Amino acid sequence: GAVVSQHPSWVICKSGTSVKIECRSLDFQATTMFWYRQFPKQSLMLMATSNEGSKATYEQGVEKDKFLINHASLTLSTLTVTSAHPEDSSFYICSARDPGWGTEAFFGQGTRLTVV
Amino acid sequence: GESVGLHLPTLSVQEGDNSIINCAYSNSASDYFIWYKQESGKGPQFIIDIRSNMDKRQGQRVTVLLNKTVKHLSLQIAATQPGDSAVYFCAEDYGRAGGGADGLTFGKGTHLIIQP
Repeated sequence: GAVVSQHPSWVICKSGTSVKIECRSLDFQATTMFWYRQFPKQSLMLMATSNEGSKATYEQGVEKDKFLINHASLTLSTLTVTSAHPEDSSFYICSARDPGWGTEAFFGQGTRLTVV
Repeated sequence: GESVGLHLPTLSVQEGDNSIINCAYSNSASDYFIWYKQESGKGPQFIIDIRSNMDKRQGQRVTVLLNKTVKHLSLQIAATQPGDSAVYFCAEDYGRAGGGADGLTFGKGTHLIIQP
């Protein structure tokens, strides 16, 4: 299947700082990527849809000014958590669909963010 | 709001037995369903999918059944192995944007435990 890679796998940052997470499609081009957040022992919740060359679409309740999304190329989307607080600590996961594989969504390995 | 839910948060089965994980969905407009396996600290891994115009689909050791009348989805794993231990999520895509441009709505997850 297609490969989606995230970086970093884990990050610890101080409260008030910003953290950038990268999501790359390694062997296909993705005009659309998705960002999810998962708290411990809970399900994945869709945060936003990242659109190459245009603004991201945010789900209800997700602050667009806090979670900045940039989809600068067909293989890279970034999520920046601005002014991070301990409650932003979570597992962030991106996904993308490879048109060559139909509608199946491939997920990155996730990024564990801990804000101290 | 509408959601995808699971009946059992934890399922314990003997190695070699068959496992059945259930999922109820509420959005009758959903046209595509996927089962994912998630191991601790990793992103979801695609297992099998099914479209709403089908009621059964088989893969290697796995079968997905879809009952649209009662909005129920199940994942059957044959001859479970220790490596099957993980959290299993069902997810639905109700085609808000069409063309595979949607994020997924995930169920709560079932933790499958394989007993030796």
